[in-house]
Amino acid sequence: GAVVSQHPSWVICKSGTSVKIECRSLDFQATTMFWYRQFPKQSLMLMATSNEGSKATYEQGVEKDKFLINHASLTLSTLTVTSAHPEDSSFYICSAIGQLTDTQYFGPGTRLTVL
Amino acid sequence: GENVEQHPSTLSVQEGDSAVIKCTYSDSASNYFPWYKQELGKGPQLIIDIRSNVGEKKDQRIAVTLNKTAKHFSLHITETQPEDSAVYFCAAAPYGTASKLTFGTGTRLQVTL
Repeated sequence: GAVVSQHPSWVICKSGTSVKIECRSLDFQATTMFWYRQFPKQSLMLMATSNEGSKATYEQGVEKDKFLINHASLTLSTLTVTSAHPEDSSFYICSAIGQLTDTQYFGPGTRLTVL
Repeated sequence: GENVEQHPSTLSVQEGDSAVIKCTYSDSASNYFPWYKQELGKGPQLIIDIRSNVGEKKDQRIAVTLNKTAKHFSLHITETQPEDSAVYFCAAAPYGTASKLTFGTGTRLQVTL
């Protein structure tokens, strides 16, 4: 149980385009989802917290207009990187918390490369 | 806010030996401490966690200890195996509020034959 998936697992795009990453909780309903980014050999940096049906809460320094988050249902959250630039290249990871627990379960991550 | 420090940054042990990773935290309100294992190119996987009302928890070869007075907690892996090689992250959060985790900087564990 407690499986979180992400799609795509990797994506390469041109500078200036937008990319959407999906995060799904497969066997539980996720009241809260988190989005992280991770640079090589570094720790996870929280970008934003999203609750189903409400606006996401962004961490300081994260541009909400650039990283659009939608948590439309209890099993799906999406992160859209708008007008991507090479410096947005990173490993993006989501996590989810169910209704009955505080344990965060992580997805497998999405490798974004912006050319 | 919470600050979590993790040591060592790298750790090399021989197969069969024990490995210990230590973390300290700053916020006395934190009472939930999970440990995650991350293999290359993959997302973190929860391996064990501990709540503040427990001083030690064990799951087969993995154990975690917590000292709330000193604000530190440790991961112990016994009888290490090559498949234990990965990056391990500790984290801290207040429990019961679905709060965000504050992660340590990670420890790269290498188990050699």
